[in-house]
Amino acid sequence: DVKVTQSSRYLVKRTGEKVFLECVQDMDHENMFWYRQDPGLGLRLIYFSYDVKMKEKGDIPEGYSVSREKKERFSLILESASTNQTSMYLCASSRTGIETQYFGPGTRLLVL
Amino acid sequence: EDKVVQSPLSLVVHEGDTVTLNCSYEVTNFRSLLWYKQEKKAPTFLFMLTSSGIEKKSGRLSSILDKKELFSILNITATQTGDSAIYLCAVESDQTGANNLFFGTGTRLTVIP
Repeated sequence: DVKVTQSSRYLVKRTGEKVFLECVQDMDHENMFWYRQDPGLGLRLIYFSYDVKMKEKGDIPEGYSVSREKKERFSLILESASTNQTSMYLCASSRTGIETQYFGPGTRLLVL
Repeated sequence: EDKVVQSPLSLVVHEGDTVTLNCSYEVTNFRSLLWYKQEKKAPTFLFMLTSSGIEKKSGRLSSILDKKELFSILNITATQTGDSAIYLCAVESDQTGANNLFFGTGTRLTVIP
């Protein structure tokens, strides 16, 4: 079974803090994605990566950065957390091309 | 264990056909069921269902939820090649903590001209 894990299930941070969300997949997938999900807005793509050290902006990259130093790991970084970044963050991975994405369990982030 | 199961895993039809995609779930403290269409990068939101028996409709797409039997269907009538995509079902649970959104593995639909 494909496994996508996220480092934290629930996080509480203060405004201005730097936040790291980690995602690891164990299926040697090329593609990895970070989304946020908010009520009424569905899933929105923040960043994605098709290869190690490669990243592309999604639909809402502002306020976020990412890092992919190893194939299995894709990190989402909030340089200075703000209250409007309170959300559910989902990581996903897939093989090359347009393939089924496997989602991690999600990290619910609360920024106070 | 909470889970969402979609069927079929893949489906190939001809333009004009009608298709039905299935999603069954076992999730604690059900809140809503969501359908997404995934073509390239991010899944696109289609429907959110919270009540049994009420059909949601958008053009040729419609969906309905049965909370007693714990499943939902997504119908697409008069399919077009542009409907080719992976359709994802997700169930939101009303429980505390982060793990309250559960995805199925999707149904890959291919529509042949």
